[in-house]
Amino acid sequence: AQSVTQPDARVTVSEGASLQLRCKYSYFGTPYLFWYVQYPRQGLQLLLKYYPGDPVVQGVNGFEAEFSKSNSSFHLRKASVHWSDWAVYFCAVSSITGNTGKLIFGLGTTLQVQP
Amino acid sequence: EAGVTQSPRYAVLQEGQAVSFWCDPISGHDTLYWYQQPRDQGPQLLVYFRDEAVIDNSQLPSDRFSAVRPKGTNSTLKIQSAKQGDTATYLCASSLGCSGNTLYFGEGSRLIVV
Repeated sequence: AQSVTQPDARVTVSEGASLQLRCKYSYFGTPYLFWYVQYPRQGLQLLLKYYPGDPVVQGVNGFEAEFSKSNSSFHLRKASVHWSDWAVYFCAVSSITGNTGKLIFGLGTTLQVQP
Repeated sequence: EAGVTQSPRYAVLQEGQAVSFWCDPISGHDTLYWYQQPRDQGPQLLVYFRDEAVIDNSQLPSDRFSAVRPKGTNSTLKIQSAKQGDTATYLCASSLGCSGNTLYFGEGSRLIVV
């Protein structure tokens, strides 16, 4: 069965520091993978998505993620964090087959940014 | 282009009461999803539609939850006889149906059952 694990419930970084949020997925084959961000009292917004191809995916606001089939991972990175990045980040997986489009989400990682 | 619109934004119920949530997807999107997001958790799929047809409702508690999309556009999610465990944010999303396409989410309807 498809599943996503985000092992860190909360990550705290200093403004200007680099960031990595971890995501591990379980899927037979190669899936589509997504990172969404949720700001307080708002819906989820897409940061980036992976389709089979280049393992490094660029997203909005300086975010990028790297797909690793051998590690079943899709970690999110940013070189320099800004205070406005304080939010909850969700990794999600979707099936390539079946034309469904539905997403399976992880529990999320809350990013806190210290001044 | 208008995004996904949901209403009401908030609802507070006593146990046993009923509530309906309404969703207006992005124009032209054939696929509509309802997710339940308990506090401090990720969204969990309840049901989704392709046009007016239910594609998957296996995670919908069918004894008290129902969802319809009669004309393949707007959708209503109804909870009858609400329980405290239903306290969550209910998110609606829409997409063009093919696998891998982006889901666009509304701001959600936050339900508190006391």
